[in-house]
Amino acid sequence: GAGVSQSPSNKVTEKGKDVELRCDPISGHTALYWYRQSLGQGLEFLIYFQGNSAPDKSGLPSDRFSAERTGGSVSTLTIQRTQQEDSAVYLCASSLVQGRETQYFGPGTRLLVL
Amino acid sequence: AQTVTQSQPEMSVQEAETVTLSCTYDTSENNYYLFWYKQPPSRQMILVIRQEAYKQQNATENRFSVNFQKAAKSFSLKISDSQLGDTAMYFCAFMGYYNQGGKLIFGQGTELSVKP
Repeated sequence: GAGVSQSPSNKVTEKGKDVELRCDPISGHTALYWYRQSLGQGLEFLIYFQGNSAPDKSGLPSDRFSAERTGGSVSTLTIQRTQQEDSAVYLCASSLVQGRETQYFGPGTRLLVL
Repeated sequence: AQTVTQSQPEMSVQEAETVTLSCTYDTSENNYYLFWYKQPPSRQMILVIRQEAYKQQNATENRFSVNFQKAAKSFSLKISDSQLGDTAMYFCAFMGYYNQGGKLIFGQGTELSVKP
């Protein structure tokens, strides 16, 4: 079946603008995860959803970052007032249920903030 | 806090040879999961192999196998009969059994080049 998809594939934006990154998990997967991959920080866990609920938002780097999930499916990661340090690849993953299950990743969105 | 360390930033191997990538981790938990993921230039992170800490038998998937040493907190990946398509960044990852929402903790990665 179809894997995890993310859009856009690449995004170039100007400092101070807002951006929205989208993730479509594998059908039937109830858990969804966001990670950030940057040269300086490596792979960082940002947030996870079980259904539409995000119990722990402490991994988000700042209050400019927010995420939501609707209908237990699509998720959007929003970055407000982007900064150059937000430039990174944002990866989304999904798993059948939350915890202990293998996570399957999407191709990522490469964000460049000028 | 759990940490994962990959001490080899880059490795290279000749096609058809065998290569071993190292990974060590630190945790106070007794039960957990370990993973190796492969990330080719396409950016798609692909699961290579998974190991449950409570299983003593080392996981294998075709040409890929692990050497899991729980006491030493070591989890190396062996790739046999290396192929050009194995060229990629390889990440070792840890997930706690009583994990914080399924959070994967990744190592820094090892860039593997398979040469013809």
